[in-house]
Parts: sequence; structure tokens; C-alpha cells
Amino acid sequence: GAGVSQTPSNKVTEKGKYVELRCDPISGHTALYWYRQSLGQGPEFLIYFQGTGAADDSGLPNDRFFAVRPEGSVSTLKIQRTERGDSAVYLCASSPIKGTNTGELFFGEGSRLTVL
Amino acid sequence: AQSVTQPDIHITVSEGASLELRCNYSYGATPYLFWYVQSPGQGLQLLLKYFSGDTLVQGIKGFEAEFKRSQSSFNLRKPSVHWSDAAEYFCAFRWGSGNTPLVFGKGTRLSVIA
Repeated sequence: GAGVSQTPSNKVTEKGKYVELRCDPISGHTALYWYRQSLGQGPEFLIYFQGTGAADDSGLPNDRFFAVRPEGSVSTLKIQRTERGDSAVYLCASSPIKGTNTGELFFGEGSRLTVL
Repeated sequence: AQSVTQPDIHITVSEGASLELRCNYSYGATPYLFWYVQSPGQGLQLLLKYFSGDTLVQGIKGFEAEFKRSQSSFNLRKPSVHWSDAAEYFCAFRWGSGNTPLVFGKGTRLSVIA
């Protein structure tokens, strides 16, 4: 597709359930990022990938959160044993690799997660 | 720790009036600086960015921003606001080149009145 695609756009789940959020980056972009945006806050970094490997996962809040990018393209953010505090919009972004990349991140529209 | 501060949570301006949104960063060296806009139901869109060189940068939709090293600031300006500019605005920075993640401020919500 032309832009970053995220599915589902909306997800409502019950406390304790498992959730997967998918991100399809812009074709050819090798860097992929996950952010979380709570109501009234700015995006908060979770994890980013260079190709298939997680280059920095320091933003993951705890071990209930995990992300993969097995083929260096699509990524899945996985949340186990969801809690009400996990409710937020989860944003995915991608970026091309350049020699010294100081360029922008291209964001998807986000997946809104509501945990009841 | 590196951080970015947007002191104004919400600003209201009249259509046609000028606008300035404030952004300050905390970092030991000159970071790479960005302004993004988020309209309801839409993804974040880049307005402009600063890496080096001329400290006044021009962006899309008539926006500009000025980097002031002495004040650690990167304020966003527009000389005449349009109703369609109503949105959430985020300042962000990156502390290195390559693909290090952006650090975002909490945002400033802009309302535009007739």
C-alpha cells in the first residue's frame, strides 16, 4: 500500500485476554517503530526494529508486551493478560534506511485498544 | 534525561490571527527536531524538521519553526491561522542520526474560532 497500514483500527477486549495488533509498513522501509498514545498524551516509544531484529525495546512497559517482525516487513505487537491500563492507541511508523538517516517517521492511523 | 516540553496544553486563536506553539528540549547537544500534526482520526503528519544549517525552517501548510540553541527551543509559527489548522501539534526530537526513535512532547491542542 501507499502508507503504513494498521489492523484492526479498533479492538475491544476483556481484561486478561490476549491481543495482537498488526502493522504493515511502507514497502521498502527497513525501520519499524511501535508507539503507544494514551488520552491527552504524546506518543510514547515502545520498540523499534531494524530489519527483523529489535534494535531497541527499552520502551516496552513489562514482559506482557512483545513484538515480532519475522520477515523484516509486517510486524505484530502482542499483549498478554491485558489490563485496563493498556487501553490506548497503538501507533506504528516506518522509516527508510539512508546513509545517515535523519528523516521523518511515517505513521499509520493507529489501532485503538480498549480493555474492559 | 532527554526530554521535550510543550508548555501549552491548549491554545485558542481566532481565524486569521498569528500562531506560535512553544517547544523546549533538554539535551546536551543539538538534536534533530520535528513538528508533527495530528488531526482527529488521522495519523501523525510531519510539518517540518530541523537538522542543521539555517535555523528558520519552512514546512507544509504555511508553517515555519525557528531553532534557538541558546534557549533550547524550536517554536512553531504560522502568520495566519485557518480553521482547518485545528488539531493536536507535537514537537519531537531525536538524539542521534540513523534510526533512533523520536521522543515526543505531550502535545498542544489548537482550537480555531471564527
